[in-house]
Amino acid sequence: VQLQESGPGLVKPSQTLSLTCSVSGASISSAGFYWTWIRQHPGKGLEWIGYIYYSGNTYYNPSLKSRVVISLDTSRNQFSLKLNSVTAADTALYYCARARNYVGNLDFWGLGTLVTVSS
Amino acid sequence: QSVLTQPPSVSGAPGQRVTISCTGSSSNIGTASDVYWYQRLPGAAPKLLISDNNNRPSGVPDRFSGSKSGTSASLAITGLQTEDEADYFCQSYDSTLYGFVFGTGTTVTVL
Repeated sequence: VQLQESGPGLVKPSQTLSLTCSVSGASISSAGFYWTWIRQHPGKGLEWIGYIYYSGNTYYNPSLKSRVVISLDTSRNQFSLKLNSVTAADTALYYCARARNYVGNLDFWGLGTLVTVSS
Repeated sequence: QSVLTQPPSVSGAPGQRVTISCTGSSSNIGTASDVYWYQRLPGAAPKLLISDNNNRPSGVPDRFSGSKSGTSASLAITGLQTEDEADYFCQSYDSTLYGFVFGTGTTVTVL
């Protein structure tokens, strides 16, 4: 199983950050998995952004919930992240990962993609 | 924002034993939720190292072990090797966040 993040590395303040995670070696429609977005601010620890269950149900970090949408594209075996109204505080390394259950067990991760918010 | 606290760094000579602590609270590690540990080698994707507090996924050397007690967990590396130089972070589930929480991360250096 491999996951790979893609998307713009530079986003302007107030715009929408959009990232896609392409999954190979597994189907995002397979029962039981939670397709997850995580980020790491420079010099900081990891922050859970949210995840989408294979069924399409979503769960978001309350601190980001008003700005985040995670969705599945089963035809392309991808899932995506949209974060609107970004500021410099959203500059981070963004990871996608697969969780085997709702409490964690992230068994496959992407390499991560750096997104900088700057004008 | 990391909710679980880890030491920023630990170091040891080859062959030594090092431990990394992960301190949480009653809403995460202190519940029935399991603790997971991940290893991130330089330039690589994070890798699941320990699942369900103390289980090693297939392919993980047995020199890595995990434990959990109360609101804390620990990762031990026995027989430290140069290839163990990496960042390590813990993860659990938080019942107030209704989602994952992570540790602040620990860099292991082999002297």
